[in-house]
Amino acid sequence: EVQMLESGGGLVQPGGSLRLSCAASGFTFSSYAMSWVRQAPGKGLEWVSVISGSGGSTYYADSVKGRFTISRDNSKNTLYLQMNSLRAEDTAVYYCAKGYGSSSRGWYFDLWGRGTLVTVSS
Amino acid sequence: SYVLTQPPSVSVAPGQTARITCGGNNIGSKSVHWYQQKPGQAPVLVVYDDSDRPSGIPERFSGSNSGNTATLTISRVEAGDEADYYCQVWDSSSDQGVFGGGTKLTVL
Repeated sequence: EVQMLESGGGLVQPGGSLRLSCAASGFTFSSYAMSWVRQAPGKGLEWVSVISGSGGSTYYADSVKGRFTISRDNSKNTLYLQMNSLRAEDTAVYYCAKGYGSSSRGWYFDLWGRGTLVTVSS
Repeated sequence: SYVLTQPPSVSVAPGQTARITCGGNNIGSKSVHWYQQKPGQAPVLVVYDDSDRPSGIPERFSGSNSGNTATLTISRVEAGDEADYYCQVWDSSSDQGVFGGGTKLTVL
């Protein structure tokens, strides 16, 4: 069965750090780009970041550039999101999503995890 | 940055056709993808590359894209189609993904 399971969410103070993980199974992980998409409470979807299958290319939304780092360990079939200098506006459910496409034409997301909630508050 | 504009809500009676629009500057030159999200659940891809359907998505879901507007069409709407729908593109000028603000589909 193809699935992805996020973990690592929780409550963190403003200015703090958190690392999210997404464990994938049921497909050849290294063959696909992977992305993080977030959704603030009661709000719409916001794309955060994407990483190519090899890990050699990464892209970020302006809202997180310089604060968040996406990475992957293909030997462990796991995607990561290191989040530093967290702000209240980063509070959201963070979904990992399997990407389909390429760096030349972009990606869409054909499989999503259930998400993990990150709350930034003092 | 590239902006996608969706109507906040669309209402339709069961059995009728729902059309959800996604506006963007020259969006017809981009590939548009659509997601369905029901309350408390993760999004599900329903249309990709303007008009293709993933396996398992009913033929009632279709898409089109031209000029400055892309459209998701849901024929013979059912109560189970009630959900939020989001359009998405890749903005190659900024190398960023972009989602529309979402449209809540209500089945009357």
